[in-house]
Formats: sequence, structure tokens, C-alpha cells
Amino acid sequence: DTEVTQTPKHLVMGMTNKKSLKCEQHMGHRAMYWYKQKAKKPPELMFVYSYEKLSINESVPSRFSPECPNSSLLNLHLHALQPEDSALYLCASSRRDTSGNTEAFFGQGTRLTVV
Amino acid sequence: AQKVTQAQTEISVVEKEDVTLDCVYETRDTTYYLFWYKQPPSGELVFLIRRNSFDEQNEISGRYSWNFQKSTSSFNFTITASQVVDSAVYFCALRNYGGSQGNLIFGKGTKLSVKP
Repeated sequence: DTEVTQTPKHLVMGMTNKKSLKCEQHMGHRAMYWYKQKAKKPPELMFVYSYEKLSINESVPSRFSPECPNSSLLNLHLHALQPEDSALYLCASSRRDTSGNTEAFFGQGTRLTVV
Repeated sequence: AQKVTQAQTEISVVEKEDVTLDCVYETRDTTYYLFWYKQPPSGELVFLIRRNSFDEQNEISGRYSWNFQKSTSSFNFTITASQVVDSAVYFCALRNYGGSQGNLIFGKGTKLSVKP
């Protein structure tokens, strides 16, 4: 089972709203990631969690707040977003071996529209 | 610096044609990983293959094959007898070894359209 599940699949929110994106995996992976993908562009890394601890924050604005409640769950809390934050948000996970992280498995993403 | 170049932005073929997607990478690391991912219109990035830098064996999986050439820093992907379901954006990616970074460096992607 190589499934990463993201909810919701689509989200429309106003600039004053607070919403959360959820990601779940049951593969026993200890590294989890949030990526942002604009149309016709490759994914861009936002955050990396390793063993439930935030290990990388790629200078993401504070209106994006990640949370890793346990080894299977990853959330992305959204507040006061801008229209330019509209994008596909992808969650991924990977296991760690002696060489570091192995291949990442991605969810289907949440298509976010900020109005 | 690490970089992945996919020079082909879009490719269009007719079903049953063979097609090769090019990937050229740059890295100063002597040990690294290369990947190919497929992204259909549904949005999910589907993992296709991982290749370690110390393993230059080419690989075949059904209609898919990969040609890794360290001498030219290339990791090309060939689909034989393409099908409409192969239509997607394909990303080549690079990651260094010993990944405290865990960061994939993606190419810009190649959009493949397979017409019936």
C-alpha cells in the first residue's frame, strides 16, 4: 500500500478565512513533506518533517503553519492567505534509510483557490 | 549547484509511437539519486523509478525504459508503443545522498500528449 491521502481535494477560501489541509499515510514513513505547485511549474518544497519534528522550512510565510500531530498525520493550517497562494498543495512521505530519505510518495493534492 | 534540465517542454505523438523524454542534470556530489515522476491531470505525482548514481545499469519495466549515462549526466526515459493513458507531465528529479535535506530538485517537466 503506497497511498498518501489528502483532504480536501478542492478548497475555495476567502482571504480572511482559516482552513486546514490534511494528509495521512500508513506506510510507516518517518519523513513527511508539503509542496506547493503552481500551474505549469514543478513542485516547490515548503516544509519537511522528520520523526514528527520540523526539519526544513523553506522560508515559507507565516500564514502557512504546518503541524505533525503523529507519525501518520501532517496538517497545513492556512490563515489570511492571498490570491497568489492559489495552487496545488501536495503532501508526500518517504522512509529513511542509511543514505537518507528514499523516494517520496505523493498524495493527489488539494487544489486551493483563494478569493 | 544542483540543477535538472528537461529541454522538451511539450511533446505530442500518435499512439503506438515510441517517445524519449530527455533529462540532463548537474551536481557536484559524487553520490546522488535520480528519479522520474508522472503527473496525470488528476494531480498526483506518481513515482516511476529511482536510480542511484553508483548503479549505471539501464532498466526496463514493461513499456518503460531508462538510460542512465553518467558520462553525459543524462537520465533519459523512453516509452515504447505509447498509449493515450501515458499522457501526463513527466518530471525528472535529483537528490543528494545522505539527505538531511530530503529535498528533490525537479526539472521543469515535459508534457506528453499521446493522441489516438
